[in-house]
Amino acid sequence: DTEVTQTPKHLVMGMTNKKSLKCEQHMGHRAMYWYKQKAKKPPELMFVYSYEKLSINESVPSRFSPECPNSSLLNLHLHALQPEDSALYLCASSQEGSGSPYEQYFGPGTRLTVT
Amino acid sequence: AQKVTQAQTEISVVEKEDVTLDCVYETRDTTYYLFWYKQPPSGELVFLIRRNSFDEQNEISGRYSWNFQKSTSSFNFTITASQVVDSAVYFCALSSSHGDDKIIFGKGTRLHILP
Repeated sequence: DTEVTQTPKHLVMGMTNKKSLKCEQHMGHRAMYWYKQKAKKPPELMFVYSYEKLSINESVPSRFSPECPNSSLLNLHLHALQPEDSALYLCASSQEGSGSPYEQYFGPGTRLTVT
Repeated sequence: AQKVTQAQTEISVVEKEDVTLDCVYETRDTTYYLFWYKQPPSGELVFLIRRNSFDEQNEISGRYSWNFQKSTSSFNFTITASQVVDSAVYFCALSSSHGDDKIIFGKGTRLHILP
């Protein structure tokens, strides 16, 4: 089963709201990723967790806060977002992290609109 | 520095025609990995293939084939007898064994298969 699930599929939030995006995989993968994708652009890496520890933060603003409660779950907490943060947020997982670039499996994404 | 160039921004072909998507990469690493992903209108990125730098054998999977040539730093993707369901954005990507888990995506090629 090569499935990564994400909830919610769509999210509309105001600039003062706090919300969370959730991602889950049951493939036994030890690396999980958050990407942001704007229209007609490639995905941009935001965070990488390897063996449940944050290994990469691509200088993402602190209004985005990742969390990895266990090896199957990945959350992205959102607070005080700006309209320019509206995008498709993709979660991915891969077999291993740190020097073993296996293919990443992506979830369907959460389409976020900040009003 | 690593870079992936997909010079074709958008391609339109009539169904049943063959189409080749170009990918040129730059890296100073001797060990690296190349990927192709498909992103249909639904938004989810679908993994298609992973190739390491030591394996220059071409690969065929059904109507899909890939031509890896280190001499020209290219990893081109051909769809034979295209179908409307092949309409999507296709991303070529590059990763190395540096110890991080980053994938460098090209800008993507939007493929339209016309009925």
